[in-house]
Amino acid sequence: DGGITQSPKYLFRKEGQNVTLSCEQNLNHDAMYWYRQDPGQGLRLIYYSQIVNDFQKGDIAEGYSVSREKKESFPLTVTSAQKNPTAFYLCASTVAGNPTDTQYFGPGTRLTVL
Amino acid sequence: GENVEQHPSTLSVQEGDSAVIKCTYSDSASNYFPWYKQELGKGPQLIIDIRSNVGEKKDQRIAVTLNKTAKHFSLHITETQPEDSAVYFCEASGGSYIPTFGRGTSLIVHP
Repeated sequence: DGGITQSPKYLFRKEGQNVTLSCEQNLNHDAMYWYRQDPGQGLRLIYYSQIVNDFQKGDIAEGYSVSREKKESFPLTVTSAQKNPTAFYLCASTVAGNPTDTQYFGPGTRLTVL
Repeated sequence: GENVEQHPSTLSVQEGDSAVIKCTYSDSASNYFPWYKQELGKGPQLIIDIRSNVGEKKDQRIAVTLNKTAKHFSLHITETQPEDSAVYFCEASGGSYIPTFGRGTSLIVHP
C-alpha cells in the first residue's frame, strides 16, 4: 500500500529537549510538508520541500528545523527554542509541489511537553 | 497572501438532515478548492475537490459548489449519517506554493 507514515504516534518530551518527528512516503511524491494543528487553529504550515536538498519556511518556522536528504523522508526537529511545542503534527506530500496538487496526509504525531 | 474563512466552526444536525459548510477566500488567483475530512486522532483525507473551471461537482451524498465572482465555495452533505461526524477543512490554493486552509468545522450528526 502506498502512503505516508509518521512515527511515533505519541511523543512526550521534557522541556529543553530537542525531539525529531519522522515522516516517510512511498508515493514517489516530489513535495513534502509539515503542519501544526492546534484546536480551533486549523492547519498551519511549518516547512515545505519541493525537491531533495531544498526546503522553505512556512508561516510558523521559528523553533523548528527540517532536512530533505532523501525523496522519501522529511524529518522535523522541534527544538528547545519552540516556546509552545505541544500540538498535533501532520506531514503531507503532493505529486509535484504545484499549488493545485492534492495534499496526502499522514496519520499525525501528537507531541506533549511535560 | 491567501486568507480563507470557514463557517460555521461547529455544526450539529440530526441524522438524515443536510449539512452545509461555507468558505470564502481572498486571492482571485486561487483555482483549486479541495475539502478534507479529519476523524478523531487521524490525518485529513480528501473527500471532494473542485477546480475553477466548473461551478459544481457531486459525488454521491457530497457536493461542492463554487462561486468565483463572490469568492466562496461550499460543501453540501445530504442524508447525513453518524459516520459523517468529523472535522471538515476547506483549502484554497493556486495563487502561491503555500496551501491555505480554513480553520475547520466540527460536524456532529446525532442518531
